[in-house]
Amino acid sequence: EVQLVESGGGLVQPGGSLRLSCAASGFTFSTSWMTWVRQAPGKGLEWVANIVQDGSGKTYVDSVKGRFTISRDNAKNTLYLEMNSLRAEDTAVYYCARATNACFDYWGLGTLVTVSS
Amino acid sequence: DVVMTQSPLSLPVTPGEPASISCRSSQSLLSSDGYNSLSWYLQKPGQSPHLLIYLGSNRASGVPDRFSGSGSGTDFTLKISRVEAEDVGVYYCMQGAQVPITFGHGTRLEIK
Repeated sequence: EVQLVESGGGLVQPGGSLRLSCAASGFTFSTSWMTWVRQAPGKGLEWVANIVQDGSGKTYVDSVKGRFTISRDNAKNTLYLEMNSLRAEDTAVYYCARATNACFDYWGLGTLVTVSS
Repeated sequence: DVVMTQSPLSLPVTPGEPASISCRSSQSLLSSDGYNSLSWYLQKPGQSPHLLIYLGSNRASGVPDRFSGSGSGTDFTLKISRVEAEDVGVYYCMQGAQVPITFGHGTRLEIK
């Protein structure tokens, strides 16, 4: 059974940092593209970042470029999202998902990030 | 960026009746190899989104056959042949053809 379990969310002050983790199991993590998607409270879905299988290729939505870094550790089957210079508008539930066939076929339960003073 | 426009925003449906959601993209999602990079997701209340349809018309594993996807290029449709109470939630289309990947704003299906 495929499982994606996010962790690391919480309350952080504007300008602060957080690192999210996503532990993957039930599939071959090292051969899968992975992604982060977020959802602000009461809003729709927003793609945040993608990373290719070996971590050599990464893409980001413009609003997080230069502030967020997606990475992975294939030995630990874990995906990360390092978030710096956080803003109130980054407040959201952050989901990790597996990317394949131009879609996201498995999603985690999400972790809530709240940026507030 | 590719803009995804869904309609309607809200869809009240009587159980057993059909339902249809439209999704239009501002650029063609049809690739040179003939695949449409369009997928559909359902987010049930209090849950994560889950995949219903990928590459325009392929049902994901475990998705009931009352769900179907159609369309090509810039115009796509998700159809539910007979709505059930468990189909309540917000439906999103998403384009995976180019970065940034973008979603529609969602269609909220509710039971009459």
